[in-house]
Amino acid sequence: EAQVTQNPRYLITVTGKKLTVTCSQNMNHEYMSWYRQDPGLGLRQIYYSMNVEVTDKGDVPEGYKVSRKEKRNFPLILESPSPNQTSLYFCASRAAGNNQPQHFGDGTRLSIL
Amino acid sequence: GDSVTQMEGPVTLSEEAFLTINCTYTATGYPSLFWYVQYPGEGLQLLLKATKADDKGSNKGFEATYRKETTSFHLEKGSVQVSDSAVYFCALGASGGSYIPTFGRGTSLIVHP
Repeated sequence: EAQVTQNPRYLITVTGKKLTVTCSQNMNHEYMSWYRQDPGLGLRQIYYSMNVEVTDKGDVPEGYKVSRKEKRNFPLILESPSPNQTSLYFCASRAAGNNQPQHFGDGTRLSIL
Repeated sequence: GDSVTQMEGPVTLSEEAFLTINCTYTATGYPSLFWYVQYPGEGLQLLLKATKADDKGSNKGFEATYRKETTSFHLEKGSVQVSDSAVYFCALGASGGSYIPTFGRGTSLIVHP
């Protein structure tokens, strides 16, 4: 089954404790993205990647890192999480071609205390 | 830059009512247009898309027509069900030199029995 898999689905942690949210897709998609979803603000893009070893900042990259060492994986790293990063996070992937839709994971709910 | 404007929600309807969710956009290129749906506790999933002017996308009884002259892509359904309760996102595909899709803020739909 074609899917984007994120882990963990839920995480409660404390300020300053490094964490990684993993994302994997099995569709051989070139493009991958991370979004955060906050009430009243919709979806905001954090980082995106156009292919292996090619990443770029989205609209809200501060406090986040990403890497794309393999085509299927695109982890999101919070080196020193803070409470304002409490949010619902989505990973997405799509094939090349501007008419291709995004495929989303089920989301990761992060709470930073 | 590109932008998407969706009607504010929530939209509250009784079962079997007619639904319209308005979406207008500004774009420098000629993007594909998408509607995504997010059910509670899940990620976004593609509902329908249209890739050129006057195309009509349809799925699960929902329809939307790509209107280039009015830069609109309104979502309609003739008879909503309780199971249609969700958040609906209008989106532009990447276009021109941008690899990044643009999402509206989402419109919550609540359908009462």
